[in-house]
Amino acid sequence: SYELTQPPSVSVPPGQTVSITCSGDKLGEKYVSWYQHKPGQSPVLVIYQHNKRPSGIPERLSGSFSGNTATLTISVTQAIDEADYYCQAWDSRTAQYVFGTGTKVTVL
Amino acid sequence: QVQLVESGGGVVQPGRSLRLSCSASGFTFSSYGVHWVRQTPGKGLEWVAGISYDGGERYYEDSVKGRFTISRDNSKNTLFLQMNTLSIEDTAVYHCAKDQVDLTWGLDYWGQGTLVTVSS
Repeated sequence: SYELTQPPSVSVPPGQTVSITCSGDKLGEKYVSWYQHKPGQSPVLVIYQHNKRPSGIPERLSGSFSGNTATLTISVTQAIDEADYYCQAWDSRTAQYVFGTGTKVTVL
Repeated sequence: QVQLVESGGGVVQPGRSLRLSCSASGFTFSSYGVHWVRQTPGKGLEWVAGISYDGGERYYEDSVKGRFTISRDNSKNTLFLQMNTLSIEDTAVYHCAKDQVDLTWGLDYWGQGTLVTVSS
């Protein structure tokens, strides 16, 4: 089955920038979404189709793509950004959605 | 506003069955694909199954193929997940979620989830 790999955790001081990567085989042939997930809450879609933001998502969160790696960047990181972040893609070959392994963002 | 409300979770013994429901409101349910996604502390988010807007296409994660069946009743704005031959590894919070537009646009609304505990 298809796999998406993320770093398990990253730490960032308040006000700084943090980037989370998501890599997978031939990921460039798929569209990547990103979700923010806080304990006790439902996941929130923050980026879709690599770099588009749903309404209500602050511009501090941005997505990019290069080669086989998608990146979620959080600028001017705030305490409210502390959460788990997951990338996701639709694998048309297997007809399955795949979530990444997840990255825990800690704001120090 | 868009709402997705899951129900049907509970404690069940290994090998038994359970049926989850997801009641949708605030949008035209029959126009969107919908999915089940489960969350476990150790494994994070895991997509389980999805179904197209009209029920004509159904998709499953490998570990649930042959055991779980996703279905929908567009006349009642409800999504279902029939789970058979449950195992301890199926213990999780199960969320329903809708496609924003199609399979490349992500899942824009999620329910709060219903807890399924498989234990002897």
